[in-house]
Amino acid sequence: EPEVTQTPSHQVTQMGQEVILRCVPISNHLYFYWYRQILGQKVEFLVSFYNNEISEKSEIFDDQFSVERPDGSNFTLKIRSTKLEDSAMYFCARQQRDTIGTGELFFGEGSRLTVL
Amino acid sequence: GDSVTQMEGPVTLSEEAFLTINCTYTATGYPSLFWYVQYPGEGLQLLLKATKADDKGSNKGFEATYRKETTSFHLEKGSVQVSDSAVYFCALATNTGGFKTIFGAGTRLFVKA
Repeated sequence: EPEVTQTPSHQVTQMGQEVILRCVPISNHLYFYWYRQILGQKVEFLVSFYNNEISEKSEIFDDQFSVERPDGSNFTLKIRSTKLEDSAMYFCARQQRDTIGTGELFFGEGSRLTVL
Repeated sequence: GDSVTQMEGPVTLSEEAFLTINCTYTATGYPSLFWYVQYPGEGLQLLLKATKADDKGSNKGFEATYRKETTSFHLEKGSVQVSDSAVYFCALATNTGGFKTIFGAGTRLFVKA
């Protein structure tokens, strides 16, 4: 099964700094997603991205957040000015053509963000 | 809105015990239902899925049946192993022009040798 690679695996940043998290999916993937998991809590939907556009976003995904696919391969999540409460594990996920009808997601290993 | 409710953990069992983790959902339309598992220090992996009413998903000895009449998707395993220790997430996905997956809060399972 093709994997989703996320970088960095762990990033520590100061409050107010910009952070970019990257996801490298395989080219035949259709939909891409970002989810986050605050330590010990539930997995929360942030945004879905299709055909280089945002398909849907949650209330969490405010103006601090943005997503793009700048070079046609990497899929990035940018947090412009990090807050303490942004500390979480961020997961990139994808869907494939052969499972698009079921909603099955394939997750990356996650990027842990720690905001100090 | 759509939601998933699953039993709170942690659940602690001895090896070879029977496992049930309850999950109920609220959704408009006809969602697909999933159980994802997160082993310590890892990302989420699909454990099993069911896409329509009365479907049974199964994998690695785990089973869950899509019950539309009770809006439930309970996870069961007849004999757990220490290696099953993980956090289990019930989830639903609805097609809103791209699937949006909603997760339950997760249930941590500890299996003792």
